[in-house]
Amino acid sequence: NAGVTQTPKFRILKIGQSMTLQCTQDMNHNYMYWYRQDPGMGLKLIYYSVGAGITDKGEVPNGYNVSRSTTEDFPLRLELAAPSQTSVYFCASSTLQGISYEQYFGPGTRLTVT
Amino acid sequence: LAKTTQPISMDSYEGQEVNITCSHNNIATNDYITWYQQFPSQGPRFIIQGYKTKVTNEVASLFIPADRKSSTLSLPRVSLSDTAVYYCLVAKAGSSNTGKLIFGQGTTLQVKP
Repeated sequence: NAGVTQTPKFRILKIGQSMTLQCTQDMNHNYMYWYRQDPGMGLKLIYYSVGAGITDKGEVPNGYNVSRSTTEDFPLRLELAAPSQTSVYFCASSTLQGISYEQYFGPGTRLTVT
Repeated sequence: LAKTTQPISMDSYEGQEVNITCSHNNIATNDYITWYQQFPSQGPRFIIQGYKTKVTNEVASLFIPADRKSSTLSLPRVSLSDTAVYYCLVAKAGSSNTGKLIFGQGTTLQVKP
């Protein structure tokens, strides 16, 4: 299993541009999450999904959109990029079988908006 | 979700046991305590979770007192490769559980030779 994969690894955007961060998992997990991590800080939840077709906002959803058309994929869309969105973005997935809070994280996408 | 408080940083030496304590005074009855580890430029990795008393796995032990208002992650005989940020999180169980986790700033553990 590849686990959770994210593309691209790095990206530089100009202010006002848009882009989609890709996330794919091959573990058949129902639950998927997008986080952002600013330098020296913990992770903040942007959006999450409990299954295909179901998404919900996390702590910091403004400026982002998500969709979940399949179990495997959970892309994050940035519209009108702003410098405040410069961050490292992590995608994660989990099963929540039994009572387990183990989330599997991807390697991250480092985004710079200038 | 219950707020957690943990030290910002800790130093240790190779071969020592490290204990990181986290307080979660307003933990609810059906909340679980979980710990993650994050190396630089990587996503966090699950270490251990528990509800009460003691839990041990191949990586760490988790001690939770009866009142559950705090917990202690114990790392036996640390090595340089244990240098990382350690996050204490409280997660809610039950039918409304979506697996949402709230990450604080974590504890940066620096292991010295």
